Amino acid sequence: EVQLVESGGGLVQPGGSLRVSCAASGFTFSTRWMSWVRQAPGKGLEWLANIKPDGSEKYYVDSVKGRFTISRDNAKNSLYLQLNSLRAEDTAVYFCARDMNWGWDFWGQGTLVTVSS
Amino acid sequence: QSALTQPPSASGSPGQSVTISCTGTSSDVGRYNYVSWFQQHPGKAPKLMIYEVSGRPSGVPDRFSGSKSGNTASLTVSGLQAEDEADYYCSSYAASNNFVFGTGTKVTVL
Repeated sequence: EVQLVESGGGLVQPGGSLRVSCAASGFTFSTRWMSWVRQAPGKGLEWLANIKPDGSEKYYVDSVKGRFTISRDNAKNSLYLQLNSLRAEDTAVYFCARDMNWGWDFWGQGTLVTVSS
Repeated sequence: QSALTQPPSASGSPGQSVTISCTGTSSDVGRYNYVSWFQQHPGKAPKLMIYEVSGRPSGVPDRFSGSKSGNTASLTVSGLQAEDEADYYCSSYAASNNFVFGTGTKVTVL
C-alpha cells in the first residue's frame, strides 16, 4: 500500500526557516518524480515544486523560487522541502504527492506550517 | 501563471448529474492533454479522480468522467451520491515543468 507521511510542520516567525519531510513507503521511491503542493486555510491548491527520481532536476513555481528548496534521500525513502524567509502568506498545509502522468496519484495527509509572530 | 477558472459551486439531487468546468488558456488546458481532477473532502488529502483529461484510475467509479474542448476541461459526475459531496479541483500542465490548479468547486448533493 502506497503511503506518504509528512512531518515537520509547526509555528515559525516571519523570516524564519523550517524543513518539512515526507516519508514514503509501499512503492519504489527512487524511480518516481515527487512534488510538494500546499493549501492555505480555506483556499485552493498550489503546486510548489517537483524533483526527478535521481534528484538531478528540480522545478519550482515562481512564487517560491530562491526561498524554498526541494530535495530527496532515496536511501531513506524521504522527500524534503526547506522553507526559508517565510512570510505570513506561506501559512498552509503542505502536502507531498507522487507524480503520475502529469498529475499526482497519491497524496500524504499534509503538515501545517503557520507563519506568525 | 494564473489559476484555472472553476465555478465556485455546483449542486444536484441524488441520482442526477453535475458537470464542472475548468477554463484555462491556450498555454495550459488548450495546449496539453494533461488535465487532472481531484476530489477533496474537508480536512482530507486530495484524491485523484481523472488524469490525462479522461483517464480514470483504478478504483474510481465510472460515474466520474472527464472531457476537454479547446481551453475548457469538464468533469461530469453522473448518478450523484451523498459521498460525492466535496470540493473538486482541476489541474493542468503549463509548460516548462509548471503546473496550475483550478480555483475549486464545492459540489453539494441536495
